[in-house]
Amino acid sequence: GDSVTQMEGPVTLSEEAFLTINCTYTATGYPSLFWYVQYPGEGLQLLLKATKADDKGSNKGFEATYRKETTSFHLEKGSVQVSDSAVYFCALSDYGGSQGNLIFGKGTKLSVKP
Amino acid sequence: EPEVTQTPSHQVTQMGQEVILRCVPISNHLYFYWYRQILGQKVEFLVSFYNNEISEKSEIFDDQFSVERPDGSNFTLKIRSTKLEDSAMYFCASGQEKNNSPLHFGNGTRLTVT
Repeated sequence: GDSVTQMEGPVTLSEEAFLTINCTYTATGYPSLFWYVQYPGEGLQLLLKATKADDKGSNKGFEATYRKETTSFHLEKGSVQVSDSAVYFCALSDYGGSQGNLIFGKGTKLSVKP
Repeated sequence: EPEVTQTPSHQVTQMGQEVILRCVPISNHLYFYWYRQILGQKVEFLVSFYNNEISEKSEIFDDQFSVERPDGSNFTLKIRSTKLEDSAMYFCASGQEKNNSPLHFGNGTRLTVT
């Protein structure tokens, strides 16, 4: 079945460092891909999404490009801030299926130190 | 900004007891979901609900689980006879449309079964 694999955390960076969180997926169809973020004490929030190959999702300085050839959707940010400390979840949804039936990765905890 | 609210934030119960987790979705949303995350594992889809009936459910959502929208605002998840392995964070989510709108998640209810 469909699945999402993301890099194990935790990831600890200094402020202004470059961030990459790897995400790869397995899907039989043409999924939409998402990154969700969970700040401490809060629910999951959609960070960005891409619905087809070569699309780039971006938000709040974060970017991820849907790479069909490598089945990847890596999250990047050029300069992280302390306020980016959170857990980041990569997820997919089968195209044509219910968008709510998301398949998530395990989550990667990011800690940014001043 | 409207948000999904879940109560309680933490529920402790004894094995074999019934629990009801409560959610108030965003008022103009039509699609409702429950997800769970066992500590250290992936966020997993449990069930989706639309038009007062279950539209999809996962293998996890067995006869011990049920969902209900008892009035115009609440959306509940009931576990009939809790097991130790039901201990997890349970997330409620809602969406305006089936495929094109992002899901809005609540902050979650941490269920601990002793």
